[in-house]
Amino acid sequence: QQQVKQSPQSLIVQKGGISIINCAYENTAFDYFPWYQQFPGKGPALLIAIRPDVSEKKEGRFTISFNKSAKQFSLHIMDSQPGDSATYFCAASPGGFKTIFGAGTRLFVKA
Amino acid sequence: EAGVAQSPRYKIIEKRQSVAFWCNPISGHATLYWYQQILGQGPKLLIQFQNNGVVDDSQLPKDRFSAERLKGVDSTLKIQPAKLEDSAVYLCASSLSPEGYEQYFGPGTRLTVT
Repeated sequence: QQQVKQSPQSLIVQKGGISIINCAYENTAFDYFPWYQQFPGKGPALLIAIRPDVSEKKEGRFTISFNKSAKQFSLHIMDSQPGDSATYFCAASPGGFKTIFGAGTRLFVKA
Repeated sequence: EAGVAQSPRYKIIEKRQSVAFWCNPISGHATLYWYQQILGQGPKLLIQFQNNGVVDDSQLPKDRFSAERLKGVDSTLKIQPAKLEDSAVYLCASSLSPEGYEQYFGPGTRLTVT
């Protein structure tokens, strides 16, 4: 019940395309859903986050879609660029405590 | 604004030896976390501090791992004795909010146990 399942494990997208990463959870107590971006040798960096009271949040080329009834949320990267090549983690937490991370998605954007 | 600082960046030890990692959070951040990230996996929370008190340490292997945060600022994570399966990147993060929203991560310490 504490797991956050993330897919796909890896993703290859052409430059300018849309990258889509999906996550699913079971614990209905989760109320904060952040996405982190991690480059090799660096710590994760917060990209964008959403609360369950909204179904979508957009920041620049990054959009989170949230489906509360299905207990799923996804990250969309529009106009993907080679500089977006990184590992992306979804996460969830009940009130910010005990954050649970997904297993990660390695994104490669081909130039 | 300076980020989360960690040291050392790399450490190689033999099994059964001890090791310690240090973290200095962003100034003013009351909440501090230690995560373990095994290669190819997401970070796993080991311990969460609010100021110098422990909020959650349910996933900390207390028979070998210990952590402290003296004076509510810097923190140290220790492993004694280390096992091969402890090879991982140890990440420190801090957050301004007590609830842990918007966590800022340090670069991590890569530990190799041989």
